Amino acid sequence: DTGVSQDPRHKITKRGQNVTFRCDPISEHNRLYWYRQTLGQGPEFLTYFQNEAQLEKSRLLSDRFSAERPKGSFSTLEIQRTEQGDSAMYLCASSLLTGHDGYTFGSGTRLTVV
Amino acid sequence: GENVEQHPSTLSVQEGDSAVIKCTYSDSASNYFPWYKQELGKRPQLIIDIRSNVGEKKDQRIAVTLNKTAKHFSLHITETQPEDSAVYFCAAGKAAGNKLTFGGGTRVLVKP
Repeated sequence: DTGVSQDPRHKITKRGQNVTFRCDPISEHNRLYWYRQTLGQGPEFLTYFQNEAQLEKSRLLSDRFSAERPKGSFSTLEIQRTEQGDSAMYLCASSLLTGHDGYTFGSGTRLTVV
Repeated sequence: GENVEQHPSTLSVQEGDSAVIKCTYSDSASNYFPWYKQELGKRPQLIIDIRSNVGEKKDQRIAVTLNKTAKHFSLHITETQPEDSAVYFCAAGKAAGNKLTFGGGTRVLVKP
């Protein structure tokens, strides 16, 4: 286990289609975060899990977005009926609840909605 | 909620000179302030962090300072090298491993 893995790295989809991304955190990390980053901006918080429980969801997240972490290990982020404004880099990060070292980010999934 | 402002948005320095990036935050409950470096097309990587019980922290050519009263913190890079060219993000949160609010980023260009 060398870090946080995200799949796919790139996704091009047509407007209106559904997409799903996967994140595999560092195995002993119990917290998992999803962020969105648009070009030239800092990462923006979307949601986070502690084990399998989704503890917080950004008010900016529309009902088209849903995230799961069914067994407290990997997580999925689904976007339904994609819009062009959803085009961004979707970053996953994981950490220990009482960690000293903060987050480790994955390489992200770049979504392009055409 | 927390709001983090970062300045400048771009910074061009000559190799060997120092670079300073400044951030302010709004939530007095924030206690953890990491800095991330992001190279083009790569993941953000933690380069240094500071907690509210410390005013300054140094790691080789990188140092961070924190003024909790004024709610601002800064990143200092000395003896800059071309490989320091990247986008740097500050962030604030209540603790390491908690939700972070990021600044807008500073694009640093080190000219040889």
